Amino acid sequence: GALVYQYPRRTICKSGTSMRMECQAVGFQATSVAWYRQSPQKTFELIALSTVNSAIKYEQNFTQEKFPISHPNLSFSSMTVLNAYLEDRGLYLCGASARSQNTLYFGAGTRLSVL
Amino acid sequence: GDSVTQTEGQVTVSESKSLIINCTYSATSIGYPNLFWYVRYPGEGLQLLLKVITAGQKGSSRGFEATYNKEATSFHLQKASVQESDSAVYYCALKTGGLSGKLTFGEGTQVTVIS
Repeated sequence: GALVYQYPRRTICKSGTSMRMECQAVGFQATSVAWYRQSPQKTFELIALSTVNSAIKYEQNFTQEKFPISHPNLSFSSMTVLNAYLEDRGLYLCGASARSQNTLYFGAGTRLSVL
Repeated sequence: GDSVTQTEGQVTVSESKSLIINCTYSATSIGYPNLFWYVRYPGEGLQLLLKVITAGQKGSSRGFEATYNKEATSFHLQKASVQESDSAVYYCALKTGGLSGKLTFGEGTQVTVIS
């Protein structure tokens, strides 16, 4: 079946530092990868959508300069939170889908705490 | 933009009783969106519970059902008899823009089943 792994599961970083999180798709080719954030007391917000052979599309309020994403092949993606501050804490989810599918399969998420 | 509104906050229901979580949506894109219910069990990642991509159709999984009602723009989730293992957070979501489109989530509803 389709599985998505994210790591680390939890991480803590100091305010102003950066943190990289990774996403691995197993059992299918992840032609599209979406990164979401769930801030405390909020729902999941889309940060950006990456589709192979297309430019990464960032949502309003999220930028490449703050959340650079790499999607080098059909099984892996990473995202870095640069210069993290308190408002960046939350659960970051990676969702991946194959070309022919209309469904995003999610990992368990990376929970980021900022001190 | 697109939006999803679902039963707010927390719902507590006794085991073997029925459950309904309301979900209504608003999609600004041309055409009908695809509709999803995702579930997050304690300590786990976000899992797809069911999806319906055709208006008027019903999706079902693990005893849960939801019908895509385009006239009412609703996608309510129901289960006739819940179990303690159904305790989780449930998210209604819609997707527009085709296969590489954007998935928009509702706020989530925490369901607690008590014995």
